[in-house]
Amino acid sequence: AQKITQTQPGMFVQEKEAVTLDCTYDTSDQSYGLFWYKQPSSGEMIFLIYQGSYDEQNATEGRYSLNFQKARKSANLVISASQLGDSAMYFCAMREAFDQGAQKLVFGQGTRLTINP
Amino acid sequence: NAGVTQTPKFQVLKTGQSMTLQCAQDMNHEYMSWYRQDPGMGLRLIHYSVGAGITDQGEVPNGYNVSRSTTEDFPLRLLSAAPSQTSVYFCASSYSGGATVREKLFFGSGTQLSVL
Repeated sequence: AQKITQTQPGMFVQEKEAVTLDCTYDTSDQSYGLFWYKQPSSGEMIFLIYQGSYDEQNATEGRYSLNFQKARKSANLVISASQLGDSAMYFCAMREAFDQGAQKLVFGQGTRLTINP
Repeated sequence: NAGVTQTPKFQVLKTGQSMTLQCAQDMNHEYMSWYRQDPGMGLRLIHYSVGAGITDQGEVPNGYNVSRSTTEDFPLRLLSAAPSQTSVYFCASSYSGGATVREKLFFGSGTQLSVL
């Protein structure tokens, strides 16, 4: 079963608009962590934001925020005031605590975001 | 501080050839791992290591071999390359990999491998 699902293969957004990238996950563990990474055309993987399953507040990092809905098992990334430099592939990932000591980070398929000027 | 260094950046192999992808980190991280990235499939874990002398299989280990003789290095070996191994390979590390779910991975810049 797919543990991380990103249903949007591609998204196109106008510059300065906000954008939401969807991520749903599947786990029976109570303790887990959710991550978002950005991969620009240069290919490197850049960590953006983290949300723990026990965190009471949604995570925020600058223009990035995470809309965490635990009951729905979703962890959507929100980018406010999008910029041309936000054009990239975005990956959602999860680490579960019970999985052999939290050693595996499982990734979704990714969403390619294109910001139009 | 170099972080995670992967070499080479690009490689073309013929079917049946062998090669080693190199990965080194200078952050004294205990945990190191190899992922492959294929279109539409995200990143999939090949092998990982929680310390020198300890390795384990990930989701897609077949055709790959690893060893961890030092904390710094974690090479990935392709024993007999196949076209199905054409992919982008990432090495990643974290401080412990097992102490907490919140540990993020630090990635190398990737190796683009083509097997003809």
